Amino acid sequence: DGGITQSPKYLFRKEGQNVTLSCEQNLNHDAMYWYRQDPGQGLRLIYYSQIVNDFQKGDIAEGYSVSREKKESFPLTVTSAQKNPTAFYLCASSPPLVGGKNIQYFGAGTRLSVL
Amino acid sequence: GESVGLHLPTLSVQEGDNSIINCAYSNSASDYFIWYKQESGKGPQFIIDIRSNMDKRQGQRVTVLLNKTVKHLSLQIAATQPGDSAVYFCAEKNSGGYQKVTFGTGTKLQVIP
Repeated sequence: DGGITQSPKYLFRKEGQNVTLSCEQNLNHDAMYWYRQDPGQGLRLIYYSQIVNDFQKGDIAEGYSVSREKKESFPLTVTSAQKNPTAFYLCASSPPLVGGKNIQYFGAGTRLSVL
Repeated sequence: GESVGLHLPTLSVQEGDNSIINCAYSNSASDYFIWYKQESGKGPQFIIDIRSNMDKRQGQRVTVLLNKTVKHLSLQIAATQPGDSAVYFCAEKNSGGYQKVTFGTGTKLQVIP
């Protein structure tokens, strides 16, 4: 069953703690993305990776870090420097651009809350 | 600057009627547009896309219209059903080579039975 798996579904962070959100895909996609979604708002790009061992900052990268050691995995760490981490986090992947098209496939999300 | 916005945050439609969700964009370099549907507590799902060299594209019960002159696109849903209730996002990609996509803020569609 192909797709993107995010875990955990719910996550709680204590103040000063780093937490890592998992994202795994078996779609054989090169590109992967992390977005943050706040209530009633759209998706804001945190980081993206076009290929293994390479990633770029998105629009709101401060307080977050990523790694891309394997094609199928793109974990996101929410560091203690992120002062307002409560949000819904979405991971996505996309196949190579063909004719300029970029269809992203999303996981079910992780809801992060601060204790 | 680059932005993608929506005219209406919430749209209520009677079951069986047609729905029209609008989206404005400001980046004239945008060459590809996508509509996503997000149900509560889930990730967005692809609905339909359109390239900038087209002005209309149809799918199953959905049609996307693109007006590059006024930088506007719309999603039309025919015979709206309760299962269509969700938040709908438009997204755009500029003509650059990398794969970054910018999402709008979303429109919530409520279908009244």
